[in-house]
Amino acid sequence: QKEVEQNSGPLSVPEGAIASLNCTYSDRGSQSFFWYRQYSGKSPELIMSIYSNGDKEDGRFTAQLNKASQYVSLLIRDSQPSDSATYLCAVYNDMRFGAGTRLTVKP
Amino acid sequence: DVKVTQSSRYLVKRTGEKVFLECVQDMDHENMFWYRQDPGLGLRLIYFSYDVKMKEKGDIPEGYSVSREKKERFSLILESASTNQTSMYLCASSLSGVGTSGYTFGSGTRLTVV
Repeated sequence: QKEVEQNSGPLSVPEGAIASLNCTYSDRGSQSFFWYRQYSGKSPELIMSIYSNGDKEDGRFTAQLNKASQYVSLLIRDSQPSDSATYLCAVYNDMRFGAGTRLTVKP
Repeated sequence: DVKVTQSSRYLVKRTGEKVFLECVQDMDHENMFWYRQDPGLGLRLIYFSYDVKMKEKGDIPEGYSVSREKKERFSLILESASTNQTSMYLCASSLSGVGTSGYTFGSGTRLTVV
């Protein structure tokens, strides 16, 4: 079965630090990758998409994709308490999500 | 703004009841999905649909069925609700293709079966 795995967490970082979230996937044919943020009691919301090897930056968020190694990561710079949430990695072809990493940013 | 609307935010049903969860999207997306989300288990795919009247089983279809009679509507049916189907149910939709903008989720239905 195709799998999407994330570092289990929980992850705790101080305010202003860089939070690093990682995800590996098993389907080599996958081409579209997404990071979702989910606040407690809410539905997931898309924060980043990436399709090509390398880095993609959007504000404080950077997604990194390495298809040869089959991993995708999300860096959050200058972490804020409002970033505290569960982050889900999604591989589009698989229609599957990682179990999520719970991030807490401490003031 | 893409919208995926789930008919109920909270539902309480009795064991053995037939339960209908409705989902409607307004962006002409081809694909629609039903997931359930449980603590520690993440999002698990129940069923998905690529087109009207088409449906495919996901990872956990047992005890569920779906209906897609119109492109914008995808219904999840619990044939005979059981307590182990107590969960958060999330509907999502997406466009097809490599460059898709990913899944758009509804706000979820928290179902409790007593």
